[in-house]
Amino acid sequence: NAGVTQTPKFQVLKTGQSMTLQCAQDMNHNSMYWYRQDPGMGLRLIYYSASEGTTDKGEVPNGYNVSRLNKREFSLRLESAAPSQTSVYFCASSEFWTGLGAFFGQGTRLTVV
Amino acid sequence: DAKTTQPNSMESNEEEPVHLPCNHSTISGTDYIHWYRQLPSQGPEYVIHGLTSNVNNRMASLAIAEDRKSSTLILHRATLRDAAVYYCILRDERYGGATNKLIFGTGTLLAVQP
Repeated sequence: NAGVTQTPKFQVLKTGQSMTLQCAQDMNHNSMYWYRQDPGMGLRLIYYSASEGTTDKGEVPNGYNVSRLNKREFSLRLESAAPSQTSVYFCASSEFWTGLGAFFGQGTRLTVV
Repeated sequence: DAKTTQPNSMESNEEEPVHLPCNHSTISGTDYIHWYRQLPSQGPEYVIHGLTSNVNNRMASLAIAEDRKSSTLILHRATLRDAAVYYCILRDERYGGATNKLIFGTGTLLAVQP
């Protein structure tokens, strides 16, 4: 079982460059999330998608856009990367009625220089 | 969103029980109490959740105070692999959980000594 798959695992960007972080889940979950985690800090919610076709802002949405492409895929785009966006990004999915909680990917380590 | 308060860090000895506390004095009637943990260099993983009654699963037990203003995650026999950051999160389940987000705090860093 793959669970939640994030690509790429590592990325270095120059300031001003753009990129898209990809996330896919194979558990048929309705809800998907993007978080960032700065060194020594907890996770902060960037955007989430309660179901296919809907997206909502989280705690720190500025500088990011998202697309819920279909039920499986939820991408995060940085249009003009800034050094303050250097972080580890985690994607997650959930279907809470199952009682299993949310499943997280292994993370994308992004450095903006 | 209702807030939770956890100690920044705790220590335990291997093979001993660990009680990780969480205060949530502003919890609402529809908030479930969720626990996640994050092992070094990994994404968080679900541990357990509950509403009012104590809960047990293969990983841990969750003890919820009668007034629901606090809860305790219990690891019955700590191992070195349990060293992680443990997060206590409240999640409003009014709409079946479909529209409600998981907001993480800073969690408790658990160190396990051999």
